Amino acid sequence: DTGVSQDPRHKITKRGQNVTFRCDPISEHNRLYWYRQTLGQGPEFLTYFQNEAQLEKSRLLSDRFSAERPKGSFSTLEIQRTEQGDSAMYLCASSFGPAANSNQPQHFGDGTRLSIL
Amino acid sequence: AQSVTQPDIHITVSEGASLELRCNYSYGATPYLFWYVQSPGQGLQLLLKYFSGDTLVQGIKGFEAEFKRSQSSFNLRKPSVHWSDAAEYFCAVDNESEKLTFGTGTRLTIIP
Repeated sequence: DTGVSQDPRHKITKRGQNVTFRCDPISEHNRLYWYRQTLGQGPEFLTYFQNEAQLEKSRLLSDRFSAERPKGSFSTLEIQRTEQGDSAMYLCASSFGPAANSNQPQHFGDGTRLSIL
Repeated sequence: AQSVTQPDIHITVSEGASLELRCNYSYGATPYLFWYVQSPGQGLQLLLKYFSGDTLVQGIKGFEAEFKRSQSSFNLRKPSVHWSDAAEYFCAVDNESEKLTFGTGTRLTIIP
């Protein structure tokens, strides 16, 4: 078990630029989640995938945000035309099946910290 | 909608003293409850979870939590804290919506 891996760990960019983050889940996990965490707050759900299908998106995920999981393995989260308010830690988590049914909770990566100048 | 309240933003405890972090949830049925710990600049590590059965659950690092349905609470406890326990602690609930709802966290400081 190598854990959930996120890349990069830190990203600094100018307002208006596009950024892309990558998440590699635990290999046997079929579910992958993205959360956003701002300073002093708990993580907030953004979206999740079961295999390659994106099953739910939060209202926090504006049309500037897009997430993909093309082969049901790694996932990418892209933010277009970044704004100051996008500065946050973006966390990825994975699990096997729905937590309630499989008794398998979500395991988190170390996150990507995004800073918008 | 489900929600989680962690009423204590910051708690300071002496090393070796006992610890209790409070968590209250709002949800109509029995939720699935979790405690995670986060060190600065790091992701979240699962401490323990409650799905069903025994209301007192044991976790890693000597932590335990008790589910009390009558009080809608899931408080985290540790009998004797270590300096390495200093971190941010998050309570979370999953109501079978396939996503976690987190509280705002409690920052734990340990003093010698």
